[in-house]
Amino acid sequence: DIQMTQSPSSLSASVGDRVTITCRASQGINDYLAWYQQKPGKVPNLLIYGASTLQSGVPSRFSGSGSGTHFTLTISSLQPEDVATYYCQKYDSAPRTFGQGTRLEI
Amino acid sequence: QVHLPQWGAGLLKPSETLSLTCAVYGGTFRGYYWSWVRQSPGKGLEWIGEINHSGTTNYNPSLKSRVTISRDMAKNQFSLQLRSLTAADTAIYYCARAPVLGGKDAWGLGTTVIVS
Repeated sequence: DIQMTQSPSSLSASVGDRVTITCRASQGINDYLAWYQQKPGKVPNLLIYGASTLQSGVPSRFSGSGSGTHFTLTISSLQPEDVATYYCQKYDSAPRTFGQGTRLEI
Repeated sequence: QVHLPQWGAGLLKPSETLSLTCAVYGGTFRGYYWSWVRQSPGKGLEWIGEINHSGTTNYNPSLKSRVTISRDMAKNQFSLQLRSLTAADTAIYYCARAPVLGGKDAWGLGTTVIVS
């Protein structure tokens, strides 16, 4: 099965910073990758699908890129409300594995 | 706007069977995979499995021997059964919807299941 590895596991940044989170697949998955944001105590929320398509209603400071095995989620200007754990997930085929998560703090 | 209320027993004993149900309001079964995801305390998201409108299922290999996902098209519901529970199955269990090739764009609020 394809494994999904995120880096870093956690990071701390300041308001206004540009933040990048990486997700690597152990085999190619084309662009069948989604990113989720999960705030403490809340349900996960879809941010990006198709590696780079922003889900409706998601602020434009979030963006995604990549294809194949290497993907990135970028927050162009970090806001206090972006404190959360971020997960990538492959959905090219089952099992639709999640990455282990990246905890983002201010 | 699709709405996914979910319910089921929250406190179970080791060796018992977990049964959860998720209803689909405001949406159609066709064109989507209907999934279960869990999150152990302080841990990340774990994909359990999914079912589509035709009844095709896919399961996490690590849970496959203990899991059954089913659907009731007449009631617009889908369900999860997880057998032979242990303390390691203690988690929040979420139901979710995903387009056939897309991210999970709708989630239930989660059901906390404690095995003790």
